[in-house]
Amino acid sequence: GAVVSQHPSRVICKSGTSVKIECRSLDFQATTMFWYRQFPKKSLMLMATSNEGSKATYEQGVEKDKFLINHASLTLSTLTVTSAHPEDSSFYICSAKGQDRIDTQYFGPGTRLTVL
Amino acid sequence: DQQVKQNSPSLSVQEGRISILNCDYTNSMFDYFLWYKKYPAEGPTFLISISSIKDKNEDGRFTVFLNKSAKHLSLHIVPSQPGDSAVYFCAASATGNQFYFGTGTSLTVIP
Repeated sequence: GAVVSQHPSRVICKSGTSVKIECRSLDFQATTMFWYRQFPKKSLMLMATSNEGSKATYEQGVEKDKFLINHASLTLSTLTVTSAHPEDSSFYICSAKGQDRIDTQYFGPGTRLTVL
Repeated sequence: DQQVKQNSPSLSVQEGRISILNCDYTNSMFDYFLWYKKYPAEGPTFLISISSIKDKNEDGRFTVFLNKSAKHLSLHIVPSQPGDSAVYFCAASATGNQFYFGTGTSLTVIP
């Protein structure tokens, strides 16, 4: 099946620094990638949708200047958490949708971000 | 506003018995539904799907039932195995693009 990787799997950073998380589709071209955030004991929350070569579409309440998303190629999307604060600590998951299977998203393993 | 709801946060089942996980939705435009399984500290993995033209889809030990009139779907796991212990999310979509997730049900299968 389709494989989506995320790097890093875990990251600890100091408050005020920026962190970049990569999401890669390893064996298919992802026309659309999604970024989710999971809060403890809560559902996955869609943060933004990115299409290759265009600006990401952010969900209501998500600060686009804080969570920078770049989908520069059909196999790579990046999420940069700028000026991170402890409340940004969370589990960030990306998913990718290919051109052939419009009905299924393939999820990455997630990135655990801890901001001290 | 939670458009997809999983009202049972947890479920415990004896090994070998049936596990039934429930999911309700409010948006009648949803036409595609997925179940995902998630282990701690890992991303969700796709389990089974169903489109609104069907009321049942089966894959091995996993069967998903859809009741459109009640806006309800359920996942049956028979027989349940200890390795099935995980958090199960249902998700729904109206366009095949953005999926709305439920809050998850933590299943524990007791050996």
